[in-house]
Amino acid sequence: AQSVTQLDSQVPVFEEAPVELRCNYSSSVSVYLFWYVQYPNQGLQLLLKYLSGSTLVKGINGFEAEFNKSQTSFHLRKPSVHISDTAEYFCAVRESGGYQKVTFGTGTKLQVIP
Amino acid sequence: DVKVTQSSRYLVKRTGEKVFLECVQDMDHENMFWYRQDPGLGLRLIYFSYDVKMKEKGDIPEGYSVSREKKERFSLILESASTNQTSMYLCASSFVAGGGQETQYFGPGTRLLVL
Repeated sequence: AQSVTQLDSQVPVFEEAPVELRCNYSSSVSVYLFWYVQYPNQGLQLLLKYLSGSTLVKGINGFEAEFNKSQTSFHLRKPSVHISDTAEYFCAVRESGGYQKVTFGTGTKLQVIP
Repeated sequence: DVKVTQSSRYLVKRTGEKVFLECVQDMDHENMFWYRQDPGLGLRLIYFSYDVKMKEKGDIPEGYSVSREKKERFSLILESASTNQTSMYLCASSFVAGGGQETQYFGPGTRLLVL
């Protein structure tokens, strides 16, 4: 069975500083990986996803993530954060094929400090 | 733009009441999902549906049921609400891209308080 771990529940970072949000997954088969963002009082929206091919994936709002199969990780990065990036970020994994469900991590709250 | 709407943003109900949460999507998506979101637990799948009148249990279906009579509408039913069902409920939909690649599109959520 698949699982996903987000190691940090909260990450404070100063504005314009770089940030990395960590995500590790577990699966015995090939997977698709996703990062979603949830702004206050809103639903989730997709930031980026890894399906296949290049291990570096670029998403919206300047975010990128790197798929590392040997370390079973899919960490999210941004070189310079803005106040508007304050939100909760969810990593998700789905095994490829069929009607497999998506498994979400427990979320990381990014707090950008002015 | 895909739009997923949920019938209420905030709901207060009493223990034992029957509660209906409705979700509508306007993009002709085959798949629809109901999650609950709790602090420290992330999103947990309650039920999903991949076609009209089809439903599959997720990770935490106990105490819930669903209905999908039309493709665009997916209802979550709490037969007899209990205080441990106080939570944020999120609906999502996706089209079938093949093999699990599809992006899920989420509604704004319904925050349910059961007293």
